[in-house]
Amino acid sequence: NAGVMQNPRHLVRRRGQEARLRCSPMKGHSHVYWYRQLPEEGLKFMVYLQKENIIDESGMPKERFSAEFPKEGPSILRIQQVVRGDSAAYFCASSPGTSTEAFFGQGTRLTVV
Amino acid sequence: GNSVTQMEGPVTLSEEAFLTINCTYTATGYPSLFWYVQYPGEGLQLLLKATKADDKGSNKGFEATYRKETTSFHLEKGSVQVSDSAVYFCALRNEGSGGSNYKLTFGKGTLLTVNP
Repeated sequence: NAGVMQNPRHLVRRRGQEARLRCSPMKGHSHVYWYRQLPEEGLKFMVYLQKENIIDESGMPKERFSAEFPKEGPSILRIQQVVRGDSAAYFCASSPGTSTEAFFGQGTRLTVV
Repeated sequence: GNSVTQMEGPVTLSEEAFLTINCTYTATGYPSLFWYVQYPGEGLQLLLKATKADDKGSNKGFEATYRKETTSFHLEKGSVQVSDSAVYFCALRNEGSGGSNYKLTFGKGTLLTVNP
């Protein structure tokens, strides 16, 4: 059973471009979570999704950030018009339900130049 | 709100030394407590957990005891190895009804380097 797969592992974008981060959950997991790790900080919750639904986006910045988890395919975290402050590691986790162990991917390290 | 405070790193030890990484928390409700480990170039892995007061989580020689009276969950290992070099994160999750029982709150992480 493959783990949580994130791609790309590293992403470099110029200011103003769009960044698209992908996350394929573990087989059988329908709950996906995105976390962001800024330099020198712990991971911060961004958004919780189930198939085709956003359950909790309380940690998402109000502008430029969006997330989806379509019926088919991976979950996508999209950042429009990136700025230098968006440079961080973005981690995806999945679980079979709430209050169960969440398994993390290796993360995508976004660098905005 | 919830918060986790863990000791600042980096921590550098010699092989076979004793390890303690302190972690204290603030939470509403009845949290579960976790230690995650991140090896170089990899994602976070659950190392151990405890779900109620006085529970002891243990794995791979690491231990941590859920102390409600001191709101602490310190990580310990009696004899570290070079392969234990990694970043260690303390985290909590609220349990029970009322929602948000899926959201992990993390500390900033502690980098451990073990030298031969």
